[in-house]
Amino acid sequence: DVKVTQSSRYLVKRTGEKVFLECVQDMDHENMFWYRQDPGLGLRLIYFSYDVKMKEKGDIPEGYSVSREKKERFSLILESASTNQTSMYLCASSLGQGETQYFGPGTRLLVL
Amino acid sequence: GQSLEQPSEVTAVEGAIVQINCTYQTSGFYGLSWYQQHDGGAPTFLSYNALDGLEETGRFSSFLSRSDSYGYLLLQELQMKDSASYFCAVRDPGSARQLTFGSGTQLTVLP
Repeated sequence: DVKVTQSSRYLVKRTGEKVFLECVQDMDHENMFWYRQDPGLGLRLIYFSYDVKMKEKGDIPEGYSVSREKKERFSLILESASTNQTSMYLCASSLGQGETQYFGPGTRLLVL
Repeated sequence: GQSLEQPSEVTAVEGAIVQINCTYQTSGFYGLSWYQQHDGGAPTFLSYNALDGLEETGRFSSFLSRSDSYGYLLLQELQMKDSASYFCAVRDPGSARQLTFGSGTQLTVLP
């Protein structure tokens, strides 16, 4: 079974802090994704990566950056957290052109 | 751009059949996927339709009509554990790896 893990289930940060969210997958998937999920808005893509050191902006990249130094790890960075970044953050991975994405358990981030 | 519409809430009783509809507008189309997410859990893949017609997987079936830009998820013999959010998603024509998700349908199964 594919396993996608995220570093924290819950995080509380202060406005202006730098925040790192880590995601690791164990199935050698090329593609990795970061979404945020807010009530009534579904899952919105922040960034994705289809190879090491490669990244593509999704629909809502503003205020975020990403890093993919190793194939299995994809990090989401909030350079200066703001209250409107309070959300559930979901990481996912997929293989090649595969239609199936495998999701991690999510990190619920609260920015005070 | 792409957009998907699905009902925000559906309620049904245990043992019943429920249909969750999804209409989409896309500049290109590869296929329609469905994901299930229980409260507090991760979305999990349910089904994928690339061609018109019905795909059946146990109690769940998914249907696609490309000419109508429409699909649905059919859940039969509803169980309490089916209470969850269900999301339809389309693959991005510019980057087939990327999905755009609908806003989700919250299904509540009553005893």
